[in-house]
Amino acid sequence: GNSVTQMEGPVTLSEEAFLTINCTYTATGYPSLFWYVQYPGEGLQLLLKATKADDKGSNKGFEATYRKETTSFHLEKGSVQVSDSAVYFCALLIYNQGGKLIFGQGTELSVKP
Amino acid sequence: KAGVTQTPRYLIKTRGQQVTLSCSPISGHRSVSWYQQTPGQGLQFLFEYFSETQRNKGNFPGRFSGRQFSNSRSEMNVSTLELGDSALYLCASSLEGRGLAEDEQFFGPGTRLTVL
Repeated sequence: GNSVTQMEGPVTLSEEAFLTINCTYTATGYPSLFWYVQYPGEGLQLLLKATKADDKGSNKGFEATYRKETTSFHLEKGSVQVSDSAVYFCALLIYNQGGKLIFGQGTELSVKP
Repeated sequence: KAGVTQTPRYLIKTRGQQVTLSCSPISGHRSVSWYQQTPGQGLQFLFEYFSETQRNKGNFPGRFSGRQFSNSRSEMNVSTLELGDSALYLCASSLEGRGLAEDEQFFGPGTRLTVL
């Protein structure tokens, strides 16, 4: 079946530290991959996406590269800010399976000043 | 353009009761999906509606049901509530929901349901 596995949190970093959140997936078909972010008390916001192998998604200093050979989509940011504190979800979407997003379990990030 | 709205934002019910949650998608969006978010199980897909028809269903008991109206607004209903139904229920809308990354899903703020 289709599934997503993320590294467990919480992750606590100091401001300006480098961030990596690991995400691996298992999928039949041709998945698109996403990172969503959830701030406290809010719904999910799309952070970035990639639709095919070797695509790199980027937004707000965050990046992730779709690696088909390692079935991974790790999220990175070179210098985190306190405002990046949130829960991050890796997700996949299979073409022609409608709007069914399959999520990882989420990784809570806390950035200290 | 107004975002996805969900009502109510918070609900408290007791075991055995039933509840109806509402989701208004972004104007022009025809696909609405529902997700349940809990600390233990994370985000799980409930169902998806498109043009008033359920197109996709997750692995939830029949107590969870939904519908979509001609204006694309959607409701979900949970009957005979159990303690384990306490969760944040999120809905998301997209234009067509065909599983294309370009057809972005926009999420509402969620309805926080507490079952006592």
